[in-house]
Amino acid sequence: KAGVTQTPRYLIKTRGQQVTLSCSPISGHRSVSWYQQTPGQGLQFLFEYFSETQRNKGNFPGRFSGRQFSNSRSEMNVSTLELGDSALYLCASSSQPTNNEQFFGPGTRLTVL
Amino acid sequence: KNEVEQSPQNLTAQEGEFITINCSYSVGISALHWLQQHPGGGIVSLFMLSSGKKKHGRLIATINIQEKHSSLHITASHPRDSAVYICAVSGSPAHTGANSKLTFGKGITLSVRP
Repeated sequence: KAGVTQTPRYLIKTRGQQVTLSCSPISGHRSVSWYQQTPGQGLQFLFEYFSETQRNKGNFPGRFSGRQFSNSRSEMNVSTLELGDSALYLCASSSQPTNNEQFFGPGTRLTVL
Repeated sequence: KNEVEQSPQNLTAQEGEFITINCSYSVGISALHWLQQHPGGGIVSLFMLSSGKKKHGRLIATINIQEKHSSLHITASHPRDSAVYICAVSGSPAHTGANSKLTFGKGITLSVRP
């Protein structure tokens, strides 16, 4: 089975722009979670989707949003980018949302200038 | 106080040594995860456990639910074990719909010298 894929792998944006990141889960997995990793804060949970519904959301401002499509692929969007949004954005998929092993993608490295 | 604490913060070992990494948490959990992250960012899930002990190759993970503590042991360490090891917990069974959200420790950077 192919692993979790994320596109793009690297992205450079400027303050005020918006960005969309994409995640394709492992075939058959219906749960997708998104995480932000920064040197200062470490890994933090952004949100989780299962069957096109957001089940959980972390403590991030409303500029961070996401969605999941019927084929389980997920996108996350960040509007009005700030310098502090520079981070590695990781998505992970699992077969079910509850207490299942999560399989991580390679991440998208976002740099905001 | 962070919900998930890891110790030590950094660890250097000689090839062949037995290594122990610790994780303590302060909340009720349904499962604890050990993750490995190599330079470049990729994260691999090593273990997910809610009780007892699991073994995979040279890696052993244990958890004590009463003491809210878990350990990751690496036997016969090798330079390729050099990575960041991250402990994460998923929510209390009492939280409806919250079981899948992971809360992470800061991670421990392990260097194994040849």
